Amino acid sequence: NAGVTQTPKFRVLKTGQSMTLLCAQDMNHEYMYWYRQDPGMGLRLIHYSVGEGTTAKGEVPDGYNVSRLKKQNFLLGLESAAPSQTSVYFCASRGTGTRSGANVLTFGAGSRLTVL
Amino acid sequence: GQNIDQPTEMTATEGAIVQINCTYQTSGFNGLFWYQQHAGEAPTFLSYNVLDGLEEKGRFSSFLSRSKGYSYLLLKELQMKDSASYLCAVIRNAGNNRKLIWGLGTSLAVNP
Repeated sequence: NAGVTQTPKFRVLKTGQSMTLLCAQDMNHEYMYWYRQDPGMGLRLIHYSVGEGTTAKGEVPDGYNVSRLKKQNFLLGLESAAPSQTSVYFCASRGTGTRSGANVLTFGAGSRLTVL
Repeated sequence: GQNIDQPTEMTATEGAIVQINCTYQTSGFNGLFWYQQHAGEAPTFLSYNVLDGLEEKGRFSSFLSRSKGYSYLLLKELQMKDSASYLCAVIRNAGNNRKLIWGLGTSLAVNP
């Protein structure tokens, strides 16, 4: 069981370049999330999805777009990268239901992005 | 408003016991998580409390008091590998929306 897989793990971009981070989960989870983590800021939600074909904005959505064309994949796009988007990005997923385990987020290993 | 407070840093000795506190202020409380995050790695799930009381899981225990807006994570028989950041997160329900509010984490250093 791979869980949540993120690609790429590392990327260096120049200001203005675009890129896409891919998140894939094999747990048949409905909910998927993209977070960014910065020193002193904690985890901040960028966008999330409650199911295939749906997306919603989180706390810090500006400068990012997402798509959930397939249930198992959640893509995070940066159309025109800025130095302020230098961060570690984490994808996470969870299931639904009333079982206590349904609330637990499973995280990917993270993608470290540097924008010069 | 909604707020989570936990100490920024703590230091403890191998073999000892350490308690990491988390206080929160939020409406619509619907559960509290503790996650562990080693440097350069992803957060991993430790515990989930939704009712008052103590949940024990091996060397780790988590306590919740909803009336006091307070939780703690207790780590016993500390090992060097327990050096990590410990994140407290609260589930807040508002109507049909469920929001997870994260604390900034407590960085624990375990010394020999």
